Amino acid sequence: EPEVTQTPSHQVTQMGQEVILRCVPISNHLYFYWYRQILGQKVEFLVSFYNNEISEKSEIFDDQFSVERPDGSNFTLKIRSTKLEDSAMYFCASSETSGVNEQYFGPGTRLTVT
Amino acid sequence: QQPVQSPQAVILREGEDAVINCSSSKALYSVHWYRQKHGEAPVFLMILLKGGEQKGHEKISASFNEKKQQSSLYLTASQLSYSGTYFCGTDTGRRALTFGSGTRLQVQP
Repeated sequence: EPEVTQTPSHQVTQMGQEVILRCVPISNHLYFYWYRQILGQKVEFLVSFYNNEISEKSEIFDDQFSVERPDGSNFTLKIRSTKLEDSAMYFCASSETSGVNEQYFGPGTRLTVT
Repeated sequence: QQPVQSPQAVILREGEDAVINCSSSKALYSVHWYRQKHGEAPVFLMILLKGGEQKGHEKISASFNEKKQQSSLYLTASQLSYSGTYFCGTDTGRRALTFGSGTRLQVQP
């Protein structure tokens, strides 16, 4: 069964450093999303991406964040100048373009900022 | 504004039933239900669309009251594997999901 994959599974970085989280969405999906989940809390929407551009972003997704589809398979989230409060689980999800919008989540990248 | 889930937590014995509720103050296009086990990704269970269409796992049932913007997830004859945190995610038509705070379900032998 096709699935969303993410790398790395765990990333430790120092405050102020830049990190890139990578995702490979399900191959026939054209909508991509990033969500994050701070430990013990709910899942929060960051950004959605379609047709090589951001279709929607939340208040959390400020200038510190950017997304890119550098090739036909990868979807990346870049976090510049990381802060302690960026520590969280980051999930990538993808869905088809149909109206049903089933979103399938990847296993997540645990980001720890020290 | 996030949807409100209830109850916050529930403990069941194997074989018992449970209902988890999700309500929104906004007009919804669809409601999505996920189960998350500790340290894992949310797993898609079901989607309910405005107009009555549903798609999900055979053993999971749910309802969506469009007038009240409320959805309920019905877990029947619970098994140990049902344990986890259940989240509802709401879509107002913009595809981004807004998740509730979750309902922690524990099924005991």
